[in-house]
Amino acid sequence: DAKTTQPNSMESNEEEPVHLPCNHSTISGTDYIHWYRQLPSQGPEYVIHGLTSNVNNRMASLAIAEDRKSSTLILHRATLRDAAVYYCILRDNAGNMLTFGGGTRLMVKP
Amino acid sequence: GAGVSQSPSNKVTEKGKDVELRCDPISGHTALYWYRQRLGQGLEFLIYFQGNSAPDKSGLPSDRFSAERTGESVSTLTIQRTQQEDSAVYLCASSLWGGSNEKLFFGSGTQLSVL
Repeated sequence: DAKTTQPNSMESNEEEPVHLPCNHSTISGTDYIHWYRQLPSQGPEYVIHGLTSNVNNRMASLAIAEDRKSSTLILHRATLRDAAVYYCILRDNAGNMLTFGGGTRLMVKP
Repeated sequence: GAGVSQSPSNKVTEKGKDVELRCDPISGHTALYWYRQRLGQGLEFLIYFQGNSAPDKSGLPSDRFSAERTGESVSTLTIQRTQQEDSAVYLCASSLWGGSNEKLFFGSGTQLSVL
């Protein structure tokens, strides 16, 4: 299974942009890159996903490298409510989403 | 409509007892997933249901774990003869049809504590 690698934790100041990296060097051509986040004591929530092109939505932007071996989730202005664990996951054609991994714990300082 | 609903939200049981965890997916969602999350760790896939297809049970950690789904609605995850290592949050998610470009909607989970 294609796996992802993320830093264990990152810190950001409130109101500043945050770039959360994810490496997925064994990604296959049909794998979608998904990002979810999990706030304390809650289930994960969807953030964004993409295949090849960069994506934007109201929550974040997703920048995908040209070779697709890495991607970056961009929060344009971090708020205290963005403090969470962010998971980068590859989703294959079978539709099964397998292990999420440890994710990146984002801490936002006021 | 309502999101994914899981019950109970908390369950405390004694070692050796059986437990049943329930998941009500979003209405109309044909794909349903169960995950386990141990304290401080990421999510571990357990089982996946999609419509009338045979479920993907590849993530179930032992034969003490089983899950059923009635049509395209409620699912129950059963753990027999619980062990302390089974203590975790059990999360359920659903999506419309299970495509790789779909988003999953998660419930708030069931916190299982085995004493």
